[in-house]
Amino acid sequence: DQQVKQNSPSLSVQEGRISILNCDYTNSMFDYFLWYKKYPAEGPTFLISISSIKDKNEDGRFTVFLNKSAKHLSLHIVPSQPGDSAVYFCAALEVGSGGSNYKLTFGKGTLLTVNP
Amino acid sequence: GAGVSQTPSNKVTEKGKYVELRCDPISGHTALYWYRQSLGQGPEFLIYFQGTGAADDSGLPNDRFFAVRPEGSVSTLKIQRTERGDSAVYLCASSLTPGLGYTFGSGTRLTVV
Repeated sequence: DQQVKQNSPSLSVQEGRISILNCDYTNSMFDYFLWYKKYPAEGPTFLISISSIKDKNEDGRFTVFLNKSAKHLSLHIVPSQPGDSAVYFCAALEVGSGGSNYKLTFGKGTLLTVNP
Repeated sequence: GAGVSQTPSNKVTEKGKYVELRCDPISGHTALYWYRQSLGQGPEFLIYFQGTGAADDSGLPNDRFFAVRPEGSVSTLKIQRTERGDSAVYLCASSLTPGLGYTFGSGTRLTVV
């Protein structure tokens, strides 16, 4: 049972346009969400995160939006650049649970291709 | 070191053999994690160490898998009697604070033939 779902295996956009990557979750105990970027033969690298007490977090070209009632988050990249081409993973944590607050639950990832 | 180092980067082994995968975390990071990424999937949690002890090994698939961290730094993931289904990328990560500020290594790609 996938608790974090990324339903688009791939996305292709033109350089300069906006990329929107989506993520849905089912576990209402998740209260912290992260996006990781992964290049081939490298480990995932942290990109941006958001706590469930917020609905938006912005860092340069990257913005994450959280809709808690819909259990949905999205990552916006604008403007997209060819160097952004990578697999993007959505991940979730139960920080406030006191139990497994260290265990990331990942989605399957979305391969973003930004065409020059 | 500057990052999390995993060795070897690639390992091909025959079904039934024993393998060891090594992880050298960032110096001073007390939390260490192992994840496994199978083809087409996201990373899945295997085990979490806080210091020398395994605080949570609930993600280990069966008793063929074992991990140690005897001195609270380097960790070794050990797989006995490997099966073709064990083929995956094994990722190690470390952090100062449990759950946050993970730094992942580049992984070990294990292929069981």
